[in-house]
Parts: sequence; structure tokens; C-alpha cells
Amino acid sequence: AQTVTQSQPEMSVQEAETVTLSCTYDTSESDYYLFWYKQPPSRQMILVIRQEAYKQQNATENRFSVNFQKAAKSFSLKISDSQLGDAAMYFCAYNEEYNNNDMRFGAGTRLTVKP
Amino acid sequence: DTAVSQTPKYLVTQMGNDKSIKCEQNLGHDTMYWYKQDSKKFLKIMFSYNNKELIINETVPNRFSPKSPDKAHLNLHINSLELGDSAVYFCASSQGRDRGGYEQYFGPGTRLTVT
Repeated sequence: AQTVTQSQPEMSVQEAETVTLSCTYDTSESDYYLFWYKQPPSRQMILVIRQEAYKQQNATENRFSVNFQKAAKSFSLKISDSQLGDAAMYFCAYNEEYNNNDMRFGAGTRLTVKP
Repeated sequence: DTAVSQTPKYLVTQMGNDKSIKCEQNLGHDTMYWYKQDSKKFLKIMFSYNNKELIINETVPNRFSPKSPDKAHLNLHINSLELGDSAVYFCASSQGRDRGGYEQYFGPGTRLTVT
């Protein structure tokens, strides 16, 4: 079974600074998808960014970008110019290419943003 | 318009009772899911439904049963509630079935407390 590991239970960043959240995963598949979801205190899970494993180019969404290292099975999330509204739990997730029905989540990283 | 809605948002009940949580999506998605998030924020899939067919059942006790009256609804019934069932339950939906990589849209969650 595929496993997703987030080794940082908590992280903290100063407002306007940059922070990187780590994620590693274990799989024998060559084609898959990786995601970062955000869960603010409101509990609502929101997709932050998505990466296809077959794409070498790292995905970017405004202030959010990833560093996808396929050989190392690493998928980190970088948040630039951190804002107070970025404070949330961040979950890394994995999904196989040919199976949409089993998304695996990491244990999450709680990000605190200091003003 | 709310994409994925759940009712109720909070549910407090006693051990041994039977309860249901309703979920509706207005996105026209093919697949719906139920997740359980425990007190440590760990998110684990419970069920996946596509066209009224159960796709995944992740070692969930048979006291839990998903029921889908139509493509837009996936309700969760829980019989003989136990203290350990206390958690936040999320409904989600996504496009597709046979291919991965689709974003899952989550409901606001239902916090279940069993006393």
C-alpha cells in the first residue's frame, strides 16, 4: 500500500517570509498524482496545488509552488510571502493514475503564521 | 451555491444510538466518498461510491453503512454508536472513476460526539 509521510507535525513562519513543508511517499507505481490540501480552522478542505508525476515541471499556483523529486519520492510545498490566512493544517496526498477511488493522505502539518 | 453539503454539522449522541449523516453534491461528479478525521487530524477514507457501486471499504466496521439514493447523494448510517466513533466525518466528491488525479471537493464536515 502506498504511504504518505509528513515528518513535520508543526511549522511556524513569520508573515511575509517563506516556508517549506515536507512530504515523502512510498509507491511502486510510475504514474500517479500528488496533491497538497489546506484545512483552515473552519475545517473546510481546500485543494492548494496538484502535480502529475509524469510532468518534470514543478506545479505553481500564485504564492504556492512544489519541489517534486520523483526519484527521491519527495513532494514539498513552498509558500512564499506567507500571509496570516495561510495558517492551517496542510495535508499531502497521493492518488494512483488508474484509480480515482483511493486517495491517501499524510498526517498533516500545522502551519502557524506569526504577524 | 455550496458544492458539497453535509447535514448536520454537529451531532451529539449517546452510545448505542443509531444516527445518519447526509451528503449532497451539486457538481455532477461520478464518485463520492466518506472520510473519517480523528482527534489527531489523521484523515482516512472509509467508503467510495461510483454509480451506486461501492468501490472501497477500508476495514470499516459493518456498523457503518453508506447509502446512495442517487448519484448526487451519499448518506452515512451508523448503528450502535461507540465512544471511538467520535470524530469529524467528511463527505467528498470527484469526477471520474477509472483514472486518478481528479481534485476531490470536500464538504464542511460533521463533528460527531458520542457520550
